Amino acid sequence: NAGVTQTPKFRILKIGQSMTLQCTQDMNHNYMYWYRQDPGMGLKLIYYSVGAGITDKGEVPNGYNVSRSTTEDFPLRLELAAPSQTSVYFCAGQAGALTEAFFGQGTRLTVV
Amino acid sequence: KNEVEQSPQNLTAQEGEFITINCSYSVGISALHWLQQHPGGGIVSLFMLSSGKKKHGRLIATINIQEKHSSLHITASHPRDSAVYICAVPLEGGGSRLTFGEGTQLTVNP
Repeated sequence: NAGVTQTPKFRILKIGQSMTLQCTQDMNHNYMYWYRQDPGMGLKLIYYSVGAGITDKGEVPNGYNVSRSTTEDFPLRLELAAPSQTSVYFCAGQAGALTEAFFGQGTRLTVV
Repeated sequence: KNEVEQSPQNLTAQEGEFITINCSYSVGISALHWLQQHPGGGIVSLFMLSSGKKKHGRLIATINIQEKHSSLHITASHPRDSAVYICAVPLEGGGSRLTFGEGTQLTVNP
């Protein structure tokens, strides 16, 4: 069972570069999320989706974009990487509002 | 916004000790999540509960909805329990979106 799969695990970007963090799930989750985790801080919501074709901003959306063309995939796009985007990123999914959350393995991103 | 506070921030125990981690939140909720983040970074769900108590192996989670408080207990702690434990609750008016505590770093020494 793959669950929620996130790639890559590690990435170093130069300032101004762009990249896409991939997230795919095979659990038929309607709800999907992107979080970032900074040292000593709780997870912060970047973007979320309640179903294919529907996305919305979370607490810290600036500098990021998402799309949800299928139920399975929820990629996160960084257009112009900045040092402030150095963080660990997690994708997560839930079947419904009051259900268990499943997380990807995380992506450690460093912007230099 | 639903504020989540966890205590303690850091906890060191000897193998075999009984562990308690606390979580308080500010706004009424429908369910609370306890998560475990391994030293390697991955996050797994331990419990989701909306009332009473749940048990899974040596882990027990309790919640008091009236007092807006939950506890995670670990009985007979073991070094492999060393991890960050995170409490999460729904954002006020946020549907399924969660807000997270800062986590409790637990270290269990042999």
